This record gives sequence, structure tokens and C-alpha cells, in this order.
Amino acid sequence: AQKITQTQPGMFVQEKEAVTLDCTYDTSDQSYGLFWYKQPSSGEMIFLIYQGSYDEQNATEGRYSLNFQKARKSANLVISASQLGDSAMYFCAMREGRSTGGFKTIFGAGTRLFVKA
Amino acid sequence: GAVVSQHPSRVICKSGTSVKIECRSLDFQATTMFWYRQFPKQSLMLMATSNEGSKATYEQGVEKDKFLINHASLTLSTLTVTSAHPEDSSFYICSARRVGTGGVEAFFGQGTRLTVV
Repeated sequence: AQKITQTQPGMFVQEKEAVTLDCTYDTSDQSYGLFWYKQPSSGEMIFLIYQGSYDEQNATEGRYSLNFQKARKSANLVISASQLGDSAMYFCAMREGRSTGGFKTIFGAGTRLFVKA
Repeated sequence: GAVVSQHPSRVICKSGTSVKIECRSLDFQATTMFWYRQFPKQSLMLMATSNEGSKATYEQGVEKDKFLINHASLTLSTLTVTSAHPEDSSFYICSARRVGTGGVEAFFGQGTRLTVV
């Protein structure tokens, strides 16, 4: 069965510093996608970054980068130069690659990030 | 970017009544939409996959007769919580995948906070 694990319920980071949010996953699929979403207190889900299982290079989107280690089944999110507005809940998610399943996406438990001034 | 609109954003209803939540893709077509439920301080739990023109696929443990899903067009899926009870109070959020893009990301609605009194 597919599973996403985020072991850090909460993280603190000083403004302007970098922070790594951990995510490990388990799947028997060869093709899958990994996502990170940000959820502020308003509840909306904001897409941050995507990594395909066949992508050889780590994905980057501005201050966000995904440290993809396929053999270890980890997909950690690195946020550089943290800003106060980065304080939010962060979810790691995995989408299965089988179209018969409708490409379902499952989510980890989330990590709440607090950025300190 | 693609926009998914969810309505209403907040609803309070009495026990025993039914509530309908709409999820619309505003500027793209979505053959597949997903409905999630999120309890406070918890992750998103997939409830069902909504397929345009066919029956929804429900996750294990989700009562299909209680959570009615209709995906009548390529831009609209509805979730109806029937005979609502206080334990149905939760944050419901939908996502939609754009047709023909390879589905790199799913776009989320703003969510609906349901309170049953």
C-alpha cells in the first residue's frame, strides 16, 4: 500500500535561514509523482513543487527545492531564505501512476512551519 | 494558472438536513475531480474520486449513500452531505486535474468549512 510519512509535526526556523522538511514514501509503483503543498490558516492548498519518479534532476521552484533520493524513497522540501509568510502547514503528497486508479493522490500528516523574526 | 472554485466557503446547517458543495473548474476541463475531508490539525483524507459521466469511486470506509457525488459536466462536481450530523463537521476540499496536460498538478478549491449544529 502507498504511504507518505512526515515525521516532523512542527519546525521552527529563523527568518532568512534555510529549512528542510522531511518526507518519505512507500510505493510499489515504478511511475509516481511527488508534490509539496502549502496550507496557510485560510485553508487553501497552494502547490509548491513537483518531482516525477523518472526525473533525474531535483526539482526547483524559486526558493523551493526538492531533495529527491529515489533509493531512500525520500523527497525532502528545502525552503531557502525563509520569510515570515512561509509560516504554514506543509504537506507532502504522492500521486500514483496508474490511470486505472484515477491518479489518486495521498497526503502525509503535514509539518507546521513557524518562521521566527 | 488554472482556477478551481468551491462554493460555499462556509456553511452552518442543522442536524438532519442536507448540504451541497460545488466544485467548479473555471478555465479548464476536468474529467476527474477529487474530494477530500480534513479534520482540524490533521491531513487531507481522500473521500472519493469523481469521474465525469460515471459513478464516483469511494475510498474504503466512506459511505456512498451519505456523501453523494455527482460529476455531471467537465467543469462541475458536487458533493452532497445527506442527513448531516455534528460528526460530519469538517473542512471539505476538492481538487481537479486538467485534461490533457499529463496531470503534473491538481488544482485545489478554497475549501468548505461545514459546521453541523
